[in-house]
Amino acid sequence: SQKIEQNSEALNIQEGKTATLTCNYTNYSPAYLQWYRQDPGRGPVFLLLIRENEKEKRKERLKVTFDTTLKQSLFHITASQPADSATYLCARSSGTYKYIFGTGTRLKVLA
Amino acid sequence: DAGITQSPRHKVTETGTPVTLRCHQTENHRYMYWYRQDPGHGLRLIHYSYGVKDTDKGEVSDGYSVSRSKTEDFLLTLESATSSQTSVYFCAISTYPGQGRETQYFGPGTRLLVL
Repeated sequence: SQKIEQNSEALNIQEGKTATLTCNYTNYSPAYLQWYRQDPGRGPVFLLLIRENEKEKRKERLKVTFDTTLKQSLFHITASQPADSATYLCARSSGTYKYIFGTGTRLKVLA
Repeated sequence: DAGITQSPRHKVTETGTPVTLRCHQTENHRYMYWYRQDPGHGLRLIHYSYGVKDTDKGEVSDGYSVSRSKTEDFLLTLESATSSQTSVYFCAISTYPGQGRETQYFGPGTRLLVL
C-alpha cells in the first residue's frame, strides 16, 4: 500500500538556521507532493506543491525538493524564525482525487 | 480559507448515540472530504464526495456515513458513536482536481469526545 513517512520526532533548531524536514514515500511515485503547515488547534494550511517532473520549488523562505530516485521530498525553511514553529505535513496524491498524509513533523525554532 | 465552516466545533457525547457533523462551504467546490486526525496516525480519509449525492469511502470509513444533498453541505454521521471515534474531525475541499495543481483547504475542525 502507499505510505507517506515523516520523522515523528520533533525538530528543534536555533533561530536563523535552516530547518530541513523529510518526507519519504513508498511504492510508485505520486504525480505530486504537497506540504502543509498546521498550528495547534487549527486545520492544515497549504504551503507548496511540487510535481514529479520538478526537482525544486521555492516560495519566499521555503524550498521543496522531489527526488524520485530516493522516493523522498525535502522541505527547507531558511532563516527560520520562532513564528515558523508548527507541525508540517506532507501529502501525496493517491488514486483519483484522494490524498494520503504523513503524521507530520513538529518544528520548534528557538529564539 | 475557502469559506469552510464546521459545526459543532466541540461535542461531547455518549457511546451508542448518533452524531452528525456538518461541513459548509461557500465557494461551490465540487470535491469535499472528511478526515480524522489522531496522535500517531496523522490525517486519515473517512469519506469524500465528488458531487451532489456522489460519495466514496476512504481508508477509515467503518462506522461512518456521509450525505451531500447540496453542493455547499457535506454531512458526516456516526450512527452509533464509540469511544474509538473520539478524535478531531476536519472537513476539506479540493481545488483544481485532476489538474496537477490540487490544493486542499481545511476547515477549523470539530473536537469530538465519546464517553
